[in-house]
Amino acid sequence: AQSVTQLDSHVSVSEGTPVLLRCNYSSSYSPSLFWYVQHPNKGLQLLLKYTSAATLVKGINGFEAEFKKSETSFHLTKPSAHMSDAAEYFCVVSGFSGGYQKVTFGTGTKLQVIP
Amino acid sequence: NAGVTQTPKFQVLKTGQSMTLQCAQDMNHEYMSWYRQDPGMGLRLIHYSVGAGITDQGEVPNGYNVSRSTTEDFPLRLLSAAPSQTSVYFCASSYGTSDTDTQYFGPGTRLTVL
Repeated sequence: AQSVTQLDSHVSVSEGTPVLLRCNYSSSYSPSLFWYVQHPNKGLQLLLKYTSAATLVKGINGFEAEFKKSETSFHLTKPSAHMSDAAEYFCVVSGFSGGYQKVTFGTGTKLQVIP
Repeated sequence: NAGVTQTPKFQVLKTGQSMTLQCAQDMNHEYMSWYRQDPGMGLRLIHYSVGAGITDQGEVPNGYNVSRSTTEDFPLRLLSAAPSQTSVYFCASSYGTSDTDTQYFGPGTRLTVL
């Protein structure tokens, strides 16, 4: 069984300050983990993914995430928020179940960036 | 490459009507899936397919049918629409069925059932 919990439904930061979006996961095996971003009225775009290589993963637009097995966490960070980062972010865990890929989405975190 | 395309973008139905949401991909991906997105619930898997002729149920399959006659197309059918099916629907595809495969999403279909 697998699950993913996004600890904050809304996060608000000022432009130019750091961003932290928190994600915890549960999995019976070594999972793959993804972060997707969804801008208003748009589809989902892949930010980054972890697939058991380096634990610190760098993605697009200056985002990065660190896989911490001991804490079962995969938090998303960015050193300095930009207005264009305002969007909804989804943490996703992917595993192999019954011979096929099983993907579970978190409930999402809405990021507000204040000028 | 157009990627994953979905039609229509918007649709309004009356309760009891049927319709088909279209999804196509031009990346020769084996794995395709349908999700619905509802506020505060993330994306929930409706049905998926691991190749032409093979489909299976996801987390919330009731009220929906799918088929996969070609690698490219994966339509989602609502046989008798209900207000509870008001949602945004996303189609996704990935190269394979490995847990490391990235899913690519279409732009979505916003469906309202009155």
